[in-house]
Amino acid sequence: AQSVTQPDIHITVSEGASLELRCNYSYGATPYLFWYVQSPGQGLQLLLKYFSGDTLVQGIKGFEAEFKRSQSSFNLRKPSVHWSDAAEYFCAVALNYGGSQGNLIFGKGTKLSVKP
Amino acid sequence: GAGVSQTPSNKVTEKGKYVELRCDPISGHTALYWYRQSLGQGPEFLIYFQGTGAADDSGLPNDRFFAVRPEGSVSTLKIQRTERGDSAVYLCASSPLQAGEGDTQYFGPGTRLTVL
Repeated sequence: AQSVTQPDIHITVSEGASLELRCNYSYGATPYLFWYVQSPGQGLQLLLKYFSGDTLVQGIKGFEAEFKRSQSSFNLRKPSVHWSDAAEYFCAVALNYGGSQGNLIFGKGTKLSVKP
Repeated sequence: GAGVSQTPSNKVTEKGKYVELRCDPISGHTALYWYRQSLGQGPEFLIYFQGTGAADDSGLPNDRFFAVRPEGSVSTLKIQRTERGDSAVYLCASSPLQAGEGDTQYFGPGTRLTVL
């Protein structure tokens, strides 16, 4: 069965430091890959997505992610974290039905805290 | 334009009662999804509509859960004989169903259901 693993439940970084959130997936083919962010009381906001092509994907708010097929990973990075980045981050995959897709499968999330 | 909206934002009910949760998708979006997010977990898929029909309802946990989308726009998730374990945030998402390039789901703010 398809699954998504986010190994870090909670990460704390200092403001201005770099950030990497890990995501591994289990799927027989190349899935569609997503990172969403959820702030307290807010809905899920899409940060970036990978469907095909360049494996380094740029998103909103200065985030980027790199798809590594050999490692089944799609890690999220940001070179310099801002206090407003404190939130919960979810990695998700969508099954690739030859170009269309079905539902998203989410990881359990990584909560990011930012120290001043 | 307007995003996905969900009503009510909060619902408190007693065990055994019936509840309805409403989702208004982004205008023109063909696909509509329901997810459930329990505390400390990522969202879990419940049901997916293409137009008026349920294309995939494999995530519904049991026959107490039912969803409709009679005119291909607004959807209602219905839960009969609620149990305390049904307490969660129920998320709705919609997408334009762009085949070939993957598709992006846009989430509403959710309905927090509490079953006492």
